[in-house]
Amino acid sequence: SQQGEEDPQALSIQEGENATMNCSYKTSINNLQWYRQNSGRGLVHLILIRSNEREKHSGRLRVTLDTSKKSSSLLITASRAADTASYFCATDGNQFYFGTGTSLTVIP
Amino acid sequence: DGGITQSPKYLFRKEGQNVTLSCEQNLNHDAMYWYRQDPGQGLRLIYYSQIVNDFQKGDIAEGYSVSREKKESFPLTVTSAQKNPTAFYLCASRAALEGPQHFGDGTRLSIL
Repeated sequence: SQQGEEDPQALSIQEGENATMNCSYKTSINNLQWYRQNSGRGLVHLILIRSNEREKHSGRLRVTLDTSKKSSSLLITASRAADTASYFCATDGNQFYFGTGTSLTVIP
Repeated sequence: DGGITQSPKYLFRKEGQNVTLSCEQNLNHDAMYWYRQDPGQGLRLIYYSQIVNDFQKGDIAEGYSVSREKKESFPLTVTSAQKNPTAFYLCASRAALEGPQHFGDGTRLSIL
């Protein structure tokens, strides 16, 4: 069974706007990771946040983690057309589980 | 450059046929994984291996088999027992029990 559920399933924004994706999970984790997948390609790791961290930044990416609510969010600021992709959260605990993904479309 | 190579990129299977998907990594990673991805869905774990000559079933292992005779290689065989094999198959590896996974570019398997 999949551990993570992402929301929304699909998101369409204008270039320059911010995009926020949410991930909820069910059991305890050691860390949570976010990945990006371009159409027809493999996944690329974006950022990892450990269970004792609350927020992490990497370039235009900002990830938050709330272990009490078992949820995480990924914020992409100043989006670009090249950010168009599917984004997946993955929980790393006793097993490694991927979420269902958010399909992001950035309109030029 | 280090990375994971999956081949072939596209594969077609006839009824009753077994097919093998190749996955090779030169990252010196101990752990390797096989996932199945169906259209518009997340990844589901088929098999994983944390060390040579050892592997474990994932959530959807029925109809699949693997081997891990070398650290660099983790081939997946889709057997005729897998009745719905049409999917995108992704291989991944990682260095430690905690940390990011590195992915190949996938093999798309279809039924003739």
